[in-house]
Amino acid sequence: DSGVTQTPKHLITATGQRVTLRCSPRSGDLSVYWYQQSLDQGLQFLIQYYNGEERAKGNILERFSAQQFPDLHSELNLSSLELGDSALYFCASSPLRLVSSTGELFFGEGSRLTVL
Amino acid sequence: GNSVTQMEGPVTLSEEAFLTINCTYTATGYPSLFWYVQYPGEGLQLLLKATKADDKGSNKGFEATYRKETTSFHLEKGSVQVSDSAVYFCALSILLTGGGNKLTFGTGTQLKVEL
Repeated sequence: DSGVTQTPKHLITATGQRVTLRCSPRSGDLSVYWYQQSLDQGLQFLIQYYNGEERAKGNILERFSAQQFPDLHSELNLSSLELGDSALYFCASSPLRLVSSTGELFFGEGSRLTVL
Repeated sequence: GNSVTQMEGPVTLSEEAFLTINCTYTATGYPSLFWYVQYPGEGLQLLLKATKADDKGSNKGFEATYRKETTSFHLEKGSVQVSDSAVYFCALSILLTGGGNKLTFGTGTQLKVEL
């Protein structure tokens, strides 16, 4: 158990819909990352938040957005869903001492999104 | 940009065979290097890491040495077990402006170990 909690574990929805994925980081971790894992694209970095602020952006579509709340949990919002958005979405958190961190991330078990 | 290239799988081995999964990287600056493992139905877990050149990371019988001259971080294990069957990801980490950091992953190599 990594200490990172993601909900829901599975989600099935239709094209055009909107979903929200939730992540609770490990206790004490200020930084949250979102990754998308699909068969054809591998593991793609989407976005990083640190203590409520966006810190780095990767291959995140404009239809997607994220935020980190004062209690440090994070949500990833996916809208106008397309078939190609079907994937496993991982949240990860990193240790408190971010600047001196060696970059180790602790991953949740993922949220599997299926768009029909 | 920063990238990681690892050998394609699947790699199929018999139990007790020697394992090598190749990984090379391209990075600006001085990255830290990692191997993560993903067991079926689970999230990624850190297997081992190395933070500077010539460092050797090791865990659970797996080893990898940070080779700056060849920009490589190959994963090895002397005797694999069926329980090692998983997908292995090589990754690098770079500190970003503003104190953030992110991991860049390779495409993953599936390992299947058979009796």
